[in-house]
Amino acid sequence: GEDVEQSLFLSVREGDSSVINCTYTDSSSTYLYWYKQEPGAGLQLLTYIFSNMDMKQDQRLTVLLNKKDKHLSLRIADTQTGDSAIYFCAERDDKIIFGKGTRLHILP
Amino acid sequence: EAQVTQNPRYLITVTGKKLTVTCSQNMNHEYMSWYRQDPGLGLRQIYYSMNVEVTDKGDVPEGYKVSRKEKRNFPLILESPSPNQTSLYFCASSPQTGSGYTFGSGTRLTVV
Repeated sequence: GEDVEQSLFLSVREGDSSVINCTYTDSSSTYLYWYKQEPGAGLQLLTYIFSNMDMKQDQRLTVLLNKKDKHLSLRIADTQTGDSAIYFCAERDDKIIFGKGTRLHILP
Repeated sequence: EAQVTQNPRYLITVTGKKLTVTCSQNMNHEYMSWYRQDPGLGLRQIYYSMNVEVTDKGDVPEGYKVSRKEKRNFPLILESPSPNQTSLYFCASSPQTGSGYTFGSGTRLTVV
């Protein structure tokens, strides 16, 4: 069945780049998303990429999509303490399937 | 302001006492969905609705009911709550295509 996999934890030093990786199984996915969840809050859509794109950049965020390998990544440049959150990868064909989330921890 | 509004934000109830969590969106979205979030299990879809009067089971529908009588509202009903339904619940909506979900702020439910 459809599945989205991502590592559960990532620790990064403040000021470094964070790279959160995700793999998915549904090759017919038309959209792929990254969501951010801060403590005690709902999920906030960070960015999304159409399946016919390879890359999308939005300020400090860069999304890379490798359709052949069904691999999606989110790079956060100059990671700051406010980036500490859980990041969810998601794919959409007819419905949205979420990964379990990667908790990003920022080291001083 | 475009948003998804869930109520209540927090709820403690006893086993077997029927409850409803309301969800309303003001964006004229066709698609609405309920998720529960549990540690180590991520987000699991309970029910979703593609449009008015159209609802379908998600991955974990047991013990829940929904209705979609009008486009803006998608209440989640627990007819006889049990402790294993203690969880954080999110309602979300989106247009039929593209742009992803808008999520509500969540309802933390505790069933004792």
